[in-house]
Amino acid sequence: DIQMTQSPSSLSASVGDRVTITCRASQSINSNLHWYQQKPGKAPKLLIYAASNLQSGVPSRFSGSGSGTDFTLTISSLQPEDFATYYCQQSYNSPRTFGQGTKLEIK
Amino acid sequence: QVQLQESGPGLMNPSETLSLTCTVSGGSISSYYWSWIRQPAGKGLDWIGRIYTSGSTDYNPSLKSRVTISVDTSKNQFSLKLSSMTAADTAVYYCAREGAVTGHYFDYWGQGTLVTVSS
Repeated sequence: DIQMTQSPSSLSASVGDRVTITCRASQSINSNLHWYQQKPGKAPKLLIYAASNLQSGVPSRFSGSGSGTDFTLTISSLQPEDFATYYCQQSYNSPRTFGQGTKLEIK
Repeated sequence: QVQLQESGPGLMNPSETLSLTCTVSGGSISSYYWSWIRQPAGKGLDWIGRIYTSGSTDYNPSLKSRVTISVDTSKNQFSLKLSSMTAADTAVYYCAREGAVTGHYFDYWGQGTLVTVSS
């Protein structure tokens, strides 16, 4: 299985801050990396697909980059509704695997 | 707008077989992969397996001996069976759509259903 490791596991930030979350794969996955946002009691929501493509309806303050084994999700200016848990996921092969999550909390 | 809705029992006894159904509305079930994903309370996301509308399946090796996923295209539904349930299987179970051509990401999810295994 491909192991996905996110860092940090938790992060405190303020409204307006620029935030970066990192995801590392245990082997190259090309650009087969996707990012999701999950709020308490809700299903995950797709934010970024294929490493850098913004899903329709997602605010442009979200962006993704990377290829191979190292990827980043950046939120350019945090808004109150962005405080949530973020997951990366690889679709290079099966089984599909997710990172352990990064919980973004209000400072 | 595509919508997915899980249905099934919320409480199971140990050793029983879980049966969940996901009903897809607002779009065709054809030409996509359909997955089951679970999340224990306070933990991360675990992919259980998927089915293509042709009926071909792909399971997580960690659960493969206990999992069966099936599809009923006439009803726009797909289903999960997980046998020999234990407390470790207590989780929120999600169904989700994965693209087969446009991209292999989960773009639509059900709201999730909590399954508790307890005697």
